[in-house]
Amino acid sequence: AQSVAQPEDQVNVAEGNPLTVKCTYSVSGNPYLFWYVQYPNRGLQFLLKYITGDNLVKGSYGFEAEFNKSQTSFHLKKPSALVSDSALYFCAVRDAQAGTALIFGKGTTLSVSS
Amino acid sequence: EPEVTQTPSHQVTQMGQEVILRCVPISNHLYFYWYRQILGQKVEFLVSFYNNEISEKSEIFDDQFSVERPDGSNFTLKIRSTKLEDSAMYFCASILGLSGELFFGEGSRLTVL
Repeated sequence: AQSVAQPEDQVNVAEGNPLTVKCTYSVSGNPYLFWYVQYPNRGLQFLLKYITGDNLVKGSYGFEAEFNKSQTSFHLKKPSALVSDSALYFCAVRDAQAGTALIFGKGTTLSVSS
Repeated sequence: EPEVTQTPSHQVTQMGQEVILRCVPISNHLYFYWYRQILGQKVEFLVSFYNNEISEKSEIFDDQFSVERPDGSNFTLKIRSTKLEDSAMYFCASILGLSGELFFGEGSRLTVL
């Protein structure tokens, strides 16, 4: 069965500094990997995905993520954080060879201070 | 931009009552999902639905839960006899194909008293 780990409950960065939100995954087959963001009392919004191809994927709002197969990781990054990036971030995985479920990590709260 | 819509946005019910949460997925999407989130915490998979039948379900999705696509547009989640621990935000999502991203609705908050 697939699973996702987000080891940090909270990440704190200063505005203008680079940010990283960590994610590792476990699947039997090839992974489809996703990042979503959730603002208070809202649904989940898609940021970016890795399906195949280039290991570095770029997404919405200047975010990017790097797929690392050997480390089974898919960390979310942004070169310069904004206060408006403060939100709850979820990493998710689907096993390309098995099942239809997208399984989410427990989420990481990003707090960007001015 | 097409979106997933959910109703009601908030429902309060008494323990033991039946609840139906409704969703209208994006019209050309093929796979439909229900997730729940308790108190802004982890987003938990409940069930996926494809070709008018359940394709996958989690251990949370027990006999108290059922899903239906009664008319080709709506996608409903029924909780037969609600318990206090069913209080959560329930999200509906849909997807065109399995390599695509899920589109989520804004959620239905269920409060069981």
